[in-house]
Amino acid sequence: EIVLTQSPATLSLSPGEGATLSCRASQSVSSSLAWYQQKPGQAPRLLIYDASNRATGIPARFSGSGSGTDFTLTISSLEPEDFAVYYCQHRRNWPWTFGQGTKVDIK
Amino acid sequence: EVQLVESGGGLVQPGGSLRLSCSASGFTFTNYAMHWVRQAPGKGLEFVSAISSNGGSTYYVDSVKGRFTISRDNSKNTLYLQMSSLRPEDTAVHYCVRLGYCGSAGCYFDYWGQGTLVTVSS
Repeated sequence: EIVLTQSPATLSLSPGEGATLSCRASQSVSSSLAWYQQKPGQAPRLLIYDASNRATGIPARFSGSGSGTDFTLTISSLEPEDFAVYYCQHRRNWPWTFGQGTKVDIK
Repeated sequence: EVQLVESGGGLVQPGGSLRLSCSASGFTFTNYAMHWVRQAPGKGLEFVSAISSNGGSTYYVDSVKGRFTISRDNSKNTLYLQMSSLRPEDTAVHYCVRLGYCGSAGCYFDYWGQGTLVTVSS
C-alpha cells in the first residue's frame, strides 16, 4: 500500500498570505494524484487532478505541482473561504489512499 | 443536477450488519464507476470499496475484505454496501462517491453524497 504523508498537520495563516502544503508518497505515484478541500460538515471537493490541473470552477489561486513522490498544493493568497482541511489522494494502484490531511486555519 | 443520496446508516452492535444504499440521479449511472469512502469522527478519509460501471469488477480495502460487499443495480440507479461482522473501528460517515473527473492519468472523485453515519457500539 502506498502511504501518503502530508505536512504540516496544521498551517496557521492570515487572509492574504500564501500557503504551501506538501504531500509525499512512499513510492512513486507518477502524476496520479489529486487534492481535495473539505470544510466542516461538508463533503470533500476536488481541486486539483493529475497533480497539476485545476478542476472546473477552481480559482486560479490554487495550483498543484510535483510528480513521482513529492507534491505541493499552493494557495497564492488565502481568501476567507479557503480555511479548511486539504487532502491528497493517489490512484496509482489499489488500494487508493488519502493523506491524513493538512488543516489551514486562521492565525 | 447530479445528486447522490445515501441511506441505511445507524447504530448497530459489534458483529451486526447494515446495508447502505446510494440513490443516484442527474447523470447516466451506468457510465460511471462508483466508490464508498468513509471518514471516522474527527479523522481523515479512507477508501473502502469500488465497483466498475457494469458491476463486473470490485475492489476493497484490506480491512473490510470478506466483511463488506459492494454492488449496484443499474436499473434502479442505486449503489449498495452490505456490511457484516461490523467492528467499532467501522464507525464513520460513509460517503457514496462518483468517479467522474478524468484526466490523462485516470479519473478522480467529482461528486460526493452527504454521507450516512454508521455507529458500531454496544
